Formats: sequence, C-alpha cells, structure tokens
Amino acid sequence: DAGVIQSPRHEVTEMGQEVTLRCKPISGHDYLFWYRQTMMRGLELLIYFNNNVPIDDSGMPEDRFSAKMPNASFSTLKIQPSEPRDSAVYFCASKGRGANYGYTFGSGTRLTVV
Amino acid sequence: AQSVSQHNHHVILSEAASLELGCNYSYGGTVNLFWYVQYPGQHLQLLLKYFSGDPLVKGIKGFEAEFIKSKFSFNLRKPSVQWSDTAEYFCAVERARDTGFQKLVFGTGTRLLVSP
Repeated sequence: DAGVIQSPRHEVTEMGQEVTLRCKPISGHDYLFWYRQTMMRGLELLIYFNNNVPIDDSGMPEDRFSAKMPNASFSTLKIQPSEPRDSAVYFCASKGRGANYGYTFGSGTRLTVV
Repeated sequence: AQSVSQHNHHVILSEAASLELGCNYSYGGTVNLFWYVQYPGQHLQLLLKYFSGDPLVKGIKGFEAEFIKSKFSFNLRKPSVQWSDTAEYFCAVERARDTGFQKLVFGTGTRLLVSP
C-alpha cells in the first residue's frame, strides 16, 4: 500500500492565484480529513468526509476555501484567491475501520503564497 | 468545545534522560487517544494509541503512554531518550459520538530537543 498520497509536495504561488491541493486516500478507507499546520495555530482540522460526503466543514477558514471528494479515491482542497496568510503545510489523512482502524497521514503540501 | 492540552511547548533533554510529556483533554465521554511524532520536515507518524483495555500502552521506538481516566490524561513516556528522538510530539483525541468516533483533535504539540 502506497499510503496517503498528496500532490504537489511544494507549491509556491502569487497572491490572488488559485491553488489546488490533491489527495489520494488509502484504498478502503472511508474517512478523509484535511488539516492545516502553521507555527501559530498548530494542526487545525479544516474539513472531513465520510463516504465522499462532507460531514464537518466548520474548520474551513473562509469562502475562499473549498474541498471536494468526487469519488472514494480522490479529494481536492482549493483556495481561490490565495493570500499570504494561507501559507502553511496542508495534510490529508484517511481513516479505516475494524482491524485497519487508525489515521494515516500523507506527506503534506507545503504552500507558500507570496 | 473539546480541547487537548499539552503543557510543555519545548523540552530540552540530554541523551539517556527520561522523558514524560503531558497531555490532558477536556471531554468527559468515551475517547480514543493517540500520540503522533513529526520529525523535522516530515509528516505525522503514529507512535501509539489507546482504545480500551490496559491503560498502559506500549508503542514504537520504546515509547509508552498511560491513560488515567480520572485525570483525563494520557502522558507519553520514554525511559531513555536518544538524539534521534528530536522531533515534535502531538497528542490527539477522538471523541465518541452516536454515529461512532469521528474527527481527531490535536494538541498544540511539544518540541523535543535531545542533545548528544
């Protein structure tokens, strides 16, 4: 199993541009989470999905942020327009059930908005 | 709102010293508890987890944690740290709901620096 796969690993963009982060969860995991990590705020849960349906998006900071999960093997987090304060590391995680219960995190996307 | 508190933000130890990192949570119901480690520039890796049963949980790399329900605590310990343990450590709590356990809430993290 390749684990949770995120792309890109690094993204540098100019303020005002659209940014799309991608995540492929572990096959068979039915929960997917997007977290943001900054020095000031630590690890914040932005949104999570269960069976591709958004369950809780209360952590999404603004309308500039949106997330989708069109199928069980793919999710995107989009920021439009991006701002310098969005600079952070964005982690995706998926969770399995039963004997496979537990959260597995991807390697993260380091976003820098200049 | 549920919160997870890690009181030590920075810890500096010499190699072979013993380690204890505190973690307290505010929710009084059934919880699952986790400790994650993040080495510099890397993603979060699971050290250990507690769901039920023996409150003393052993994890990877010689780490262990003890769940004390009456104190709402889940402290991480290691008898003898190594330079390679330099990392940031996160406690995390998952709360039970009617529909099952759902989201994971993290503490603010503790940065551990082990000097050789």
